[in-house]
Formats: sequence, structure tokens, C-alpha cells
Amino acid sequence: QKEVEQDPGPLSVPEGAIVSLNCTYSNSAFQYFMWYRQYSRKGPELLMYTYSSGNKEDGRFTAQVDKSSKYISLFIRDSQPSDSATYLCAMSEGSGGYQKVTFGTGTKLQVIP
Amino acid sequence: SAVISQKPSRDICQRGTSLTIQCQVDSQVTMMFWYRQQPGQSLTLIATANQGSEATYESGFVIDKFPISRPNLTFSTLTVSNMSPEDSSIYLCSVEDRARRVTDTQYFGPGTRLTVL
Repeated sequence: QKEVEQDPGPLSVPEGAIVSLNCTYSNSAFQYFMWYRQYSRKGPELLMYTYSSGNKEDGRFTAQVDKSSKYISLFIRDSQPSDSATYLCAMSEGSGGYQKVTFGTGTKLQVIP
Repeated sequence: SAVISQKPSRDICQRGTSLTIQCQVDSQVTMMFWYRQQPGQSLTLIATANQGSEATYESGFVIDKFPISRPNLTFSTLTVSNMSPEDSSIYLCSVEDRARRVTDTQYFGPGTRLTVL
């Protein structure tokens, strides 16, 4: 079993739809949860990060963490064609010194105009 | 934030040869990382490169195959040695996010797309 599982998609939605992207994980020591966005032929860029359980909102993006279920989500409201990219979830134990980050395989999202 | 550049952006190489990938950052950082990204697979950490010390390699990666240099706080190189088609991948350099060190977030370069024939 992989430490982090993420549906690779592709996920295709119409413009304006609400998008839900998800990851599950097995390591209960993970405390920091990140979402990176990667456009084609570019490096990943940090979209959001959260600590422990709960929600965090940033504009049209909401990150949600449920540690009891070992499940994290990223919601995109009013999706735009410019949101078309691959979304990578990432996690670390974050115990102070720099910790190795474990990434999901990424979900490819296409928003159709 | 940090701006990272990588050279070359892409290359096509012959089996048995070596390629050195350069990573340049616009600010001084202690920790730099090298990743491999293969289709359908997650980003895989190859090694962590701290200035002034030997690189630390992850399980499955060895220095003879992936030698790394870190001569100063803004630059690093990764060499892919004695290449085989299985080394075809995107290689990414990243650096620590010093403003949010506790979160382990990173800034990534644009990647080097390597094809080995």
C-alpha cells in the first residue's frame, strides 16, 4: 500500500463547476498537508497548506483535512479554464527539522469552457 | 518566495552517457532537493543537498549513479550517470521555503525533461 493515494484522473468538468480533489494516507504521523498545482511542462507551485485537522480557505480554494479518516480534500469553487492543471497532494510529519515530504501521484484536472 | 532556474530544460541523450543538470536559485538557501517525476508516479526524492556537506540519498538512489554537487548557497548540480532508458524522466530541483520552514513546503524549479534512447 502506498503511503499516499491519489486518483490520477483525468477529471473533466465544465467551467463554473465545484471541483473536489482528494487524497488518502496511511501514516498517522503526518501533520502538515499541502496542495501543489502543476501546469504542463512547469514545476509544482504551492497552492495551500494546512496543519492538522480542519479547513482552510483561500479565495476559491478550500483545503480540508480529516485526520481521523486520514483523508484530505481540495475544493475549487467556480472553476475556471485556468485551473486546468495537475494537482498534487503532499504531506509531512513536520516535527521541526526539515522533514521528507511525501507526494501523491497527482490528479489531472481539465476545466472545459 | 524563491525563483529557481534549471538547465537544460530538456535533453535527449544516448544510453551510457551522462548528463549534468544545473539548478540556480535567486536567494541563499540551506536546503536544496532533487526529485524525479515519472509518468503516473509521485514525485520521488532522490537526495537532499546541503551546502558544505555530502548529499543525503534516499533509498534506491546512490551517489555513483546520481552524484550531486552543492558548491554554494545558490547553486547545485545533479548528474545522471551511465544513463539507460529507465532514467527517462523529469528531474526537478527544489528549495526550502525559509519563511515557513516548519511546514516543509518547498519551491520548485521548472524541471529538466530527460529522454534516454
